[in-house]
Amino acid sequence: AAGVIQSPRHLIKEKRETATLKCYPIPRHDTVYWYQQGPGQDPQFLISFYEKMQSDKGSIPDRFSAQQFSDYHSELNMSSLELGDSALYFCASSLGTARGTQYFGPGTRLLVL
Amino acid sequence: KQEVTQIPAALSVPEGENLVLNCSFTDSAIYNLQWFRQDPGKGLTSLLLIQSSQREQTSGRLNASLDKSSGRSTLYIAASQPGDSATYLCAAPFTGGGNKLTFGTGTQLKVEL
Repeated sequence: AAGVIQSPRHLIKEKRETATLKCYPIPRHDTVYWYQQGPGQDPQFLISFYEKMQSDKGSIPDRFSAQQFSDYHSELNMSSLELGDSALYFCASSLGTARGTQYFGPGTRLLVL
Repeated sequence: KQEVTQIPAALSVPEGENLVLNCSFTDSAIYNLQWFRQDPGKGLTSLLLIQSSQREQTSGRLNASLDKSSGRSTLYIAASQPGDSATYLCAAPFTGGGNKLTFGTGTQLKVEL
């Protein structure tokens, strides 16, 4: 069965650079969530989209922005990167917002030097 | 702020043992609770989701229970195997929190030969 696809899987950036992470949800899933997991920490919710509209917002820095496109894929744009942005970034998808199962992608590991 | 706690933080058992992982949450008004498995540096694999109206869910050697009134969920793993070694996380969307998940602190399990 198709799963959530994230690209790239690994990314190395310098401080103050910009990064774009992509997420392709499971086919027919219309809701996408972004989470950040720092080293040794549990995942923290950043932002979510339902039917291309932002549906919820968590502890996402102002330097980050995200959107969901007409084909339901989503992109997380991160600017003015800081060392503390180094983390695993997960995307998850679900069908609707009826609090069903969220399926997670393999994550993008971002390292900021 | 909703808090999700998992005990123990780490667990080492010999192969073949039955074991119980615990998850406690402060807000009993949850819609569902999801258990995940995470291998080191990898993504999150959804194991079980229990709706608030259910008390148990089973999948193979895994059984998860939910007691909203006491704010607790348990994950029971029968006949543990070395391949079960991973970090296990519980997570739930809480009232007023949309569908974003609040994760527990995780239990790191090692099953030894």
